[in-house]
Amino acid sequence: NAGVTQTPKFRVLKTGQSMTLLCAQDMNHEYMYWYRQDPGMGLRLIHYSVGEGTTAKGEVPDGYNVSRLKKQNFLLGLESAAPSQTSVYFCASTPDRLGNYGYTFGSGTRLTVV
Amino acid sequence: QQQVKQSPQSLIVQKGGISIINCAYENTAFDYFPWYQQFPGKGPALLIAIRPDVSEKKEGRFTISFNKSAKQFSLHIMDSQPGDSATYFCAASIFPNFGNEKLTFGTGTRLTIIP
Repeated sequence: NAGVTQTPKFRVLKTGQSMTLLCAQDMNHEYMYWYRQDPGMGLRLIHYSVGEGTTAKGEVPDGYNVSRLKKQNFLLGLESAAPSQTSVYFCASTPDRLGNYGYTFGSGTRLTVV
Repeated sequence: QQQVKQSPQSLIVQKGGISIINCAYENTAFDYFPWYQQFPGKGPALLIAIRPDVSEKKEGRFTISFNKSAKQFSLHIMDSQPGDSATYFCAASIFPNFGNEKLTFGTGTRLTIIP
């Protein structure tokens, strides 16, 4: 099925560990985004990409890095996990800058840092 | 800094009633206002969107009302049904984005429709 696939769906990390969240889309979308969702704070943008090989910082980029080596994949890395990074992470993509099609979101990754 | 303020945080409406969720924005450059619907365990999905050249947009039971002078917009769900129970997010962005291609989301409203 076409869409946005996030892996893993769940993960528990110890403080200081590192991990990479993978987002893959098969819709040939140009634009991809990583958001985190926390209770009472809505969706906050971490990093985004407007095309293969490009990335930019969002609202809450500290403690995260991203890469977009292939158009269909957008990776989110945590180099040294902290309890404050416990959250649900969503990846999204969209085909054009005009916003005509909205964002297609993945089903999320629930990350707990202990 | 919260550029899009959403209220209420939670809302309980009886089946058949009207659900109303409000959002206010600060950035006058915003000119694209979508609403997203999220069911538990799922990612948000685009529900309906409006641009400020119109004051209202209706799709089925869902209506967006837009007040440019007040910098406010709202989602109305008519004849609310239990299947509408979900979290709703308003959002805003600059359209077209000219290099600023990202949405700013509100904090969300958890809507519960009771029989």
